Amino acid sequence: DVKVTQSSRYLVKRTGEKVFLECVQDMDHENMFWYRQDPGLGLRLIYFSYDVKMKEKGDIPEGYSVSREKKERFSLILESASTNQTSMYLCASSLGGRGYTFGSGTRLTVV
Amino acid sequence: GESVGLHLPTLSVQEGDNSIINCAYSNSASDYFIWYKQESGKGPQFIIDIRSNMDKRQGQRVTVLLNKTVKHLSLQIAATQPGDSAVYFCAEYRLRADGLTFGKGTHLIIQP
Repeated sequence: DVKVTQSSRYLVKRTGEKVFLECVQDMDHENMFWYRQDPGLGLRLIYFSYDVKMKEKGDIPEGYSVSREKKERFSLILESASTNQTSMYLCASSLGGRGYTFGSGTRLTVV
Repeated sequence: GESVGLHLPTLSVQEGDNSIINCAYSNSASDYFIWYKQESGKGPQFIIDIRSNMDKRQGQRVTVLLNKTVKHLSLQIAATQPGDSAVYFCAEYRLRADGLTFGKGTHLIIQP
């Protein structure tokens, strides 16, 4: 069964902390994506990557960075967490095209 | 600007009835429209998609209708079951941009 695995289901971090959200896929997909999901706003694209060591900004990249050192792993980094980054974070991967596979999400609370 | 939006945030239906979830879009350049289902505690899962040059596509208990004249998309679920309770998102996909743009979601609630 193909999977996108997000390392944490729930995280609580303090304001100003550096936070790492990890995502691993076992499908040999080229493309990986990070979204955040907020009530009333749906899913918004933060960053995406089409290849190793490659990254592109999505619609809301401010306050975030990403790392893709290996094909299967795409990390989202909050350099200095703030309370407005409290959200559900979803990772997805695709081979190319519209067939996205999502992880189960990481619910991050910044206090 | 570009947007993909849903008409209603919550839809409540009786078990066994048919459900219709609607979505409006503004970008005529989309190549595909896709419906995702997100159950509580899980990530979105692909349900069905429709290419922009089609009007209708049917799956198992689901039908997607596309009206390009009024830029409207709908998902019909036949004989709604308790397991259909979820948030449903429509999304648009453009080949050139190779990315998905999501609507805000409709929460489908099944009444016993």
